Amino acid sequence: GQQVMQIPQYQHVQEGEDFTTYCNSSTTLSNIQWYKQRPGGHPVFLIQLVKSGEVKKQKRLTFQFGEAKKNSSLHITATQTTDVGTYFCAGNPAGNQFYFGTGTSLTVIP
Amino acid sequence: EPEVTQTPSHQVTQMGQEVILRCVPISNHLYFYWYRQILGQKVEFLVSFYNNEISEKSEIFDDQFSVERPDGSNFTLKIRSTKLEDSAMYFCASSAGGAGNQPQHFGDGTRLSIL
Repeated sequence: GQQVMQIPQYQHVQEGEDFTTYCNSSTTLSNIQWYKQRPGGHPVFLIQLVKSGEVKKQKRLTFQFGEAKKNSSLHITATQTTDVGTYFCAGNPAGNQFYFGTGTSLTVIP
Repeated sequence: EPEVTQTPSHQVTQMGQEVILRCVPISNHLYFYWYRQILGQKVEFLVSFYNNEISEKSEIFDDQFSVERPDGSNFTLKIRSTKLEDSAMYFCASSAGGAGNQPQHFGDGTRLSIL
């Protein structure tokens, strides 16, 4: 069945360092969304990518959708302590069903 | 800013009992979802709902589960004959559009504990 994997599972960085999480789907996606979940909180929508090869930026965050629409990445430049949380990609192969990735838990050390 | 509200925040139930988790989606949204998240694990899709019927459901969403929109505002998830492994955080979400065209807005969740 459909699987969405993310690596790494955990990442510890010093404040100011960069961070990247990678998302890989077993099947081609129609689109992909990224969410951030703070400890004890609920997922909060960050971005949606639809087109093959699409790149979107939100301040220090850069999101990319692969050419084959099977993988995606989130890169954070110069991390801050407010970036702490778990980042999930959510792949939509078709219809109204979303497969969340396994998540990458980011810890930022001040 | 409008938000999705879920009640109760925490539900403790004896194994074998039925539970109903309640959600009030954002008022002008048309697509509704239930997810679950076992502690420390990923968010798992259960079901999506549109136009008063189930749009998609996952393998997890078996006959033990049902959803309903009993009135114009509430969206409920019923779990019959609960099992220990049903213990998880259950999130409701809503979106203005479907097929991933719009962001999903999540509620704060209901923590379900089965004893």
